[in-house]
Amino acid sequence: GAGVSQSPSNKVTEKGKDVELRCDPISGHTALYWYRQSLGQGLEFLIYFQGNSAPDKSGLPSDRFSAERTGGSVSTLTIQRTQQEDSAVYLCASSLGPYPGTGVGNTIYFGEGSWLTVV
Amino acid sequence: AQSVSQHNHHVILSEAASLELGCNYSYGGTVNLFWYVQYPGQHLQLLLKYFSGDPLVKGIKGFEAEFIKSKFSFNLRKPSVQWSDTAEYFCAPCQDGQNFVFGPGTRLSVLP
Repeated sequence: GAGVSQSPSNKVTEKGKDVELRCDPISGHTALYWYRQSLGQGLEFLIYFQGNSAPDKSGLPSDRFSAERTGGSVSTLTIQRTQQEDSAVYLCASSLGPYPGTGVGNTIYFGEGSWLTVV
Repeated sequence: AQSVSQHNHHVILSEAASLELGCNYSYGGTVNLFWYVQYPGQHLQLLLKYFSGDPLVKGIKGFEAEFIKSKFSFNLRKPSVQWSDTAEYFCAPCQDGQNFVFGPGTRLSVLP
């Protein structure tokens, strides 16, 4: 597609249930990022994929969070046994090259986010 | 680990006022610098970026930012704000080209 696509756009789930959030990056983009933004907070880095591997998982807040990426394309962020503090907007982003911060001119593109509410 | 701070949580200005949003980061190595903007109801978009060269960079919609290496700063400026600039602004240094560290964001409210 033309941009980064995320689904679902909104999800309300009961505490203790598992949720899966999907991200479809821009075609051809090798780097994929997950962030989350909680109410009143700034963006929080979760995980970064280069291809199908995740060189940096340091941002995952607990072992209830996991993510995978298959075929160098679609990524799924899974939250097990959801808690109320997991309520946030989960943002996915992608960039063309492996290191979007270098002078190659790569830019990181964000999806519109998945709004997760845990009740 | 790198950290980034934005000096103001919420800034309220009248139209035509000048704007400066502060951003400081802690990392001393190679850093590329970005400002992102999130307008109400929209997703994040790039405002401007600095990789190298002229430390004064110009972005979209009349925004500019100045990289001052000695101060570890990358402040965002606009000479005259408009109501449509109401948004949340995020400073994002990128450390060694690895990943971004986003600042906490500054909410800008421009009064008509």
